[in-house]
Amino acid sequence: ELKVEQNPLFLSMQEGKNYTIYCNYSTTSDRLYWYRQDPGKSLESLFVLLSNGAVKQEGRLMASLDTKARLSTLHITAAVHDLSATYFCAVDLLPLGGSQGNLIFGKGTKLSVKP
Amino acid sequence: KAGVTQTPRYLIKTRGQQVTLSCSPISGHRSVSWYQQTPGQGLQFLFEYFSETQRNKGNFPGRFSGRQFSNSRSEMNVSTLELGDSALYLCASRGQGREEQYFGPGTRLTVT
Repeated sequence: ELKVEQNPLFLSMQEGKNYTIYCNYSTTSDRLYWYRQDPGKSLESLFVLLSNGAVKQEGRLMASLDTKARLSTLHITAAVHDLSATYFCAVDLLPLGGSQGNLIFGKGTKLSVKP
Repeated sequence: KAGVTQTPRYLIKTRGQQVTLSCSPISGHRSVSWYQQTPGQGLQFLFEYFSETQRNKGNFPGRFSGRQFSNSRSEMNVSTLELGDSALYLCASRGQGREEQYFGPGTRLTVT
């Protein structure tokens, strides 16, 4: 069974602290996506990681991909309240014969940053 | 460039009714995918359309169907609604190649 597992599912952080969200997947996908979702809103694309060893950074967020370990991480540096949201990772099934429109999502990590 | 639009944004239906949701992709995008989001099951893939053809379908009952028009706009239909169909329905469009998907604002469906 294809699985995308995120941990932790809930994360309460203090402002200024660092933390990492982990995303493990069971497929051989070579492409991984990170999305952010605010309550009641749609998904906002954060990063698209295209190859093994890929690292991307935007502001206080940095994402990396290790396709051999089937692991992606989303690192949060010096968290601020505005980062409070739910973060999802997703892989596509193209390498397994699926289409690029078929993303498998993790359950999401609900991040709460407190002052 | 305008983003993905979905209509209606909110909908309340009664069990047994049917519903049609609409999605207009970003101009030039020919691929449209639909996802269902619920608190219990999370985000699940429904189906994908490309150039008016369904390319892939998720594990949903036949009550869920869709189509795509020549202008790439897509509709999804749910017949004989059940309480469990209450969800946020998201559509996403994608351009050529392996570009990323861009999501619309979603349609919040409530079945009573």
